[in-house]
Amino acid sequence: KQEVTQIPAALSVPEGENLVLNCSFTDSAIYNLQWFRQDPGKGLTSLLLIQSSQREQTSGRLNASLDKSSGRSTLYIAASQPGDSATYLCAVRRGGGADGLTFGKGTHLIIQP
Amino acid sequence: DAGITQSPRHKVTETGTPVTLRCHQTENHRYMYWYRQDPGHGLRLIHYSYGVKDTDKGEVSDGYSVSRSKTEDFLLTLESATSSQTSVYFCAISGVGGDEQYFGPGTRLTVT
Repeated sequence: KQEVTQIPAALSVPEGENLVLNCSFTDSAIYNLQWFRQDPGKGLTSLLLIQSSQREQTSGRLNASLDKSSGRSTLYIAASQPGDSATYLCAVRRGGGADGLTFGKGTHLIIQP
Repeated sequence: DAGITQSPRHKVTETGTPVTLRCHQTENHRYMYWYRQDPGHGLRLIHYSYGVKDTDKGEVSDGYSVSRSKTEDFLLTLESATSSQTSVYFCAISGVGGDEQYFGPGTRLTVT
C-alpha cells in the first residue's frame, strides 16, 4: 500500500526566506505527483503536476522536483510572502486512467510578516 | 477555477438518517472522485467514476454508495449516517487519464 509522508508537519519562517517542503512515498511506481495548497476552511488548489518521466516543474516562485527512484519530491518556494501561508499537500497517482490520489498529511506553513 | 460545485456546503444530520451529497461539474471531464478529509488522516478516496454509470470503490468505501447518471453529476450517498462519517467531503475531477485533478469547495457534514 502506498504511503505518503510530508516533513515537516509545520513550519514558521520570516517573510522573504526561501524554503523547501519535503514529500516521500513508499512505492516508486507512480504515474504522477501533484502539489496542492489548501487555505483554512477551503478546497484544494492545484499548484504543480509532475509526470513520472519529468524531473521538475516550475510555476512562478514555485519549483517542484521529483526523484522517482528514491521516492522523493520537494517543493521549493522562493522569496516567501505572508500570502503563502497555507497547508501544502503532496499527492501521488499510481496509474493513469481513473486512479485516485494518495495524499500526505500536509505541511502547515506560516510566513511571518 | 475548474467549474465544480458541491451541494450542500454544510449539513447537520442525525445518526441513522440517509444523506446525499452532490457534485456538479461544467468541464465535461470523464473522471470524478469523492474524498473525505479528517484530522490525522488527511484526504482519503471513497469512490470514483470513470464514466456514466461506471464507478468503483476507493480506500474507505464502507458505508457509502455513489451514482453517476450524467457526465456532469456524481452523487455520494450515506445510506444510514454514523458519527464516524462526520467529515469534510471533497469532489474532484480530471480529464484525460492521469491528468491533473481539480477539487471542489467541499461539504462539511456533521452527524450528531
